[in-house]
Amino acid sequence: SAVISQKPSRDICQRGTSLTIQCQVDSQVTMMFWYRQQPGQSLTLIATANQGSEATYESGFVIDKFPISRPNLTFSTLTVSNMSPEDSSIYLCSVVSASTDTQYFGPGTRLTVL
Amino acid sequence: GQQLNQSPQSMFIQEGEDVSMNCTSSSIFNTWLWYKQDPGEGPVLLIALYKAGELTSNGRLTAQFGITRKDSFLNISASIPSDVGIYFCAGEETSGSRLTFGEGTQLTVNP
Repeated sequence: SAVISQKPSRDICQRGTSLTIQCQVDSQVTMMFWYRQQPGQSLTLIATANQGSEATYESGFVIDKFPISRPNLTFSTLTVSNMSPEDSSIYLCSVVSASTDTQYFGPGTRLTVL
Repeated sequence: GQQLNQSPQSMFIQEGEDVSMNCTSSSIFNTWLWYKQDPGEGPVLLIALYKAGELTSNGRLTAQFGITRKDSFLNISASIPSDVGIYFCAGEETSGSRLTFGEGTQLTVNP
């Protein structure tokens, strides 16, 4: 399986600010995704990070709020913009292993917005 | 959109007991996956199922892909304290595509 790292692992932010989360993979992968896990809840897909083109967002998520970059096949960023306390969640990136076509998850970024 | 119903929501068992949890879907998935999430961590893949009817084991864990492609179960035999965590099922429509997650089963194992 791919080794996935995320930065930061956690952060506490003020309302109205923005935070950029980084996801780094140790091998080239075709598919990368960003998920949100609200407190005590399951995982919800935010968007598919497409290399070289705009991300594909799920219903209820928009680019202005969650801009995503994917400059190459091993790296992606998710920005949570103009944060409010409702954005307090764990944000996880996942990748699809080329060898098994199975999704693996990073350790997550725990965000608290005050 | 597709929804996964996972049950039970939580389980409290004694060490050594067997555990069973399941997921059902309103529509068909081509792949079923089972993940475990420990506090402060991302989900870790336990078992992946790729064919209807498939029964797969990983140590004390056994999972099956339902014949109708609309359900899956996970069994844990002879539970131990480190089995504590949240177990999620997930369905995948096509290989390498977005996942739809169940609501999770919180497992507590009493020594």
